[in-house]
Amino acid sequence: SQQGEEDPQALSIQEGENATMNCSYKTSINNLQWYRQNSGRGLVHLILIRSNEREKHSGRLRVTLDTSKKSSSLLITASRAADTASYFCATDADGGSQGNLIFGKGTKLSVKP
Amino acid sequence: ETGVTQSPTHLIKTRGQQVTLRCSSQSGHNTVSWYQQALGQGPQFIFQYYREEENGRGNFPPRFSGLQFPNYSSELNVNALELDDSALYLCASSSGVLRNIQYFGAGTRLSVL
Repeated sequence: SQQGEEDPQALSIQEGENATMNCSYKTSINNLQWYRQNSGRGLVHLILIRSNEREKHSGRLRVTLDTSKKSSSLLITASRAADTASYFCATDADGGSQGNLIFGKGTKLSVKP
Repeated sequence: ETGVTQSPTHLIKTRGQQVTLRCSSQSGHNTVSWYQQALGQGPQFIFQYYREEENGRGNFPPRFSGLQFPNYSSELNVNALELDDSALYLCASSSGVLRNIQYFGAGTRLSVL
């Protein structure tokens, strides 16, 4: 079953613009992660935010977490054509008892040069 | 590059056949998780192996089985293939069982005809 739901499903922007993707989830979590996937290849970990954190930065990435609303957002600033990919949020299942990740359906980002 | 390698990259099978997919985990990682990703969907957790023992299983039938070897590499076996088994199969390794970042291989694309 899908825990996270990303919004929007698809996003098309121009190079240099900012891209914001949102994720909502259903159950309590210990942490939330964002991954990127290029064209049906493997996923690449971008950033992890713990349930007691509200905001985290990594380079051009900014992630926020609102546990009261069970939602997170990923902001990519000054986007580049190379950022074109699908982005997934992933949460640990059932409080992390099994260590597996539950992914949403992803947001497909297209950055046009 | 994550250091996680999967083989083969592509595979075509017919319904009813059996298939074995292989994964070499990143050096130093003792946990391997397998995911199935249907077209346009997020990855879905199949099962996880920790120190050669199954450590959690998703909602997949028993014809999906696995192994982990002493060097922490892993196999995913699927018996009695069905058309709906056509998907990208992803292997991910991590250095612990709970709440760790997972490092994904490039995946095996399985087509069942």
